Amino acid sequence: GENVEQHPSTLSVQEGDSAVIKCTYSDSASNYFPWYKQELGKGPQLIIDIRSNVGEKKDQRIAVTLNKTAKHFSLHITETQPEDSAVYFCAARSYNTDKLIFGTGTRLQVFP
Amino acid sequence: GAVVSQHPSWVICKSGTSVKIECRSLDFQATTMFWYRQFPKQSLMLMATSNEGSKATYEQGVEKDKFLINHASLTLSTLTVTSAHPEDSSFYICSASSSGSSYNSPLHFGNGTRLTVT
Repeated sequence: GENVEQHPSTLSVQEGDSAVIKCTYSDSASNYFPWYKQELGKGPQLIIDIRSNVGEKKDQRIAVTLNKTAKHFSLHITETQPEDSAVYFCAARSYNTDKLIFGTGTRLQVFP
Repeated sequence: GAVVSQHPSWVICKSGTSVKIECRSLDFQATTMFWYRQFPKQSLMLMATSNEGSKATYEQGVEKDKFLINHASLTLSTLTVTSAHPEDSSFYICSASSSGSSYNSPLHFGNGTRLTVT
């Protein structure tokens, strides 16, 4: 089955700096890669997603890149703000299953 | 946008009792819903896939007789933790796809239910 690894587990940045979180997946049949932000005591919130027919997608300060050959995808947050502090999860889903498999999470702290 | 509502947000129960958690899609119909479990500072682990009008599909290692899932309508799935024990204490989160098949659609999550078994 699919296995998703995520790094780093914790990330501390200064307000205004960029943050990058990386994930790798194992199943070459995976074709959908969402990123979720989870605040304390709440469910995950979808912030951006990318499909395998696209290499990069951007939404304001957030961007995701996908390297299908290397089975890597990354989340990029620019101009970080304290309210970006949360746990971020990557996930992957194969075209032949509806199961979403999550990475291990990254705790991002943005210091003012 | 697509909204998934989960109730209750937290519950405390005594060991040996059963607890029911509801998951509702408020502004869309969901033929498939998913139940996840999350321990503190850990990732989300898929427990089961809830299919409207049919039996749920459980992941390996998840006891179907302990975690009863019912998906009686296109907007409601329930998870019942039967004969709960302290080790069942966890954060349970449901999710649903907002359009058509979940193969091609993003999943939206409820705000979770924190279960504490004393």
